[in-house]
Amino acid sequence: DVKVTQSSRYLVKRTGEKVFLECVQDMDHENMFWYRQDPGLGLRLIYFSYDVKMKEKGDIPEGYSVSREKKERFSLILESASTNQTSMYLCASSLPGEIYYNEQFFGPGTRLTVL
Amino acid sequence: SQQGEEDPQALSIQEGENATMNCSYKTSINNLQWYRQNSGRGLVHLILIRSNEREKHSGRLRVTLDTSKKSSSLLITASRAADTASYFCATDDGRPNSGYALNFGKGTSLLVTP
Repeated sequence: DVKVTQSSRYLVKRTGEKVFLECVQDMDHENMFWYRQDPGLGLRLIYFSYDVKMKEKGDIPEGYSVSREKKERFSLILESASTNQTSMYLCASSLPGEIYYNEQFFGPGTRLTVL
Repeated sequence: SQQGEEDPQALSIQEGENATMNCSYKTSINNLQWYRQNSGRGLVHLILIRSNEREKHSGRLRVTLDTSKKSSSLLITASRAADTASYFCATDDGRPNSGYALNFGKGTSLLVTP
C-alpha cells in the first residue's frame, strides 16, 4: 500500500513565524503535490513537483515556497505565517500521469492554525 | 484552477437508499476521478473513468461520464452509515508540464442516517 505521511496532524503557530510542513511518500512516486482545503472553496493547488529539485506553481503559490531535495520528501514552507494561512493542508503523490492516469494518494492532512 | 463542480452541495439520505452526485466540468479531459474524504482526513481515490468510457462499476459504485455534456455522476447503491463523507470529482487535462495535476471540485457532503 502506498503511504503518504505528514509530519503533524495539528499545528498552532504565531503570525510571522516560519513554518515547515513535511510530507513523505514511500512508493517512489515522481509527482508530489501540496493543496490547501478551506470550507466552501474545496481543494486548491499550491505547488507541485514532478521530479527532485523541480517545482511548479499551482493556483495559489503566494506566501508559500517548497523544497524537494529527495524524491520521497516534499516540504511546504510558509516564510512568514499569516492568519489567512490558517487551513487544512493536504499532501499527495502520484506516478507519471501518462502511464498511470495520475491517481493521487493523499496524506492525512495537517490542520494549521495561525494566531 | 477549479474545473469540477459537484451538485448537490449536500445530500442527506437514509441507510439502504441510493445516493447520486453529479459533477460538471468546463474543458476537455483525459479522465475523471472520484475521491472520498472522511471528516478531517485525507482524500481516498474511489474510481477513475477515462474519457473514452461511458460507464464504470466498482462494488456499490457506479460512475457515468458524458463528454458531450461535460458531466459525470457517481451513484452509491444501498448506502450505509459508513458512506457518510464528502465526495469530490477531479479532472485532469493531460498537460505534461502540469505534472498531471488534478482540478478538484468543492465536493458533495453526504450524510447517511441509520
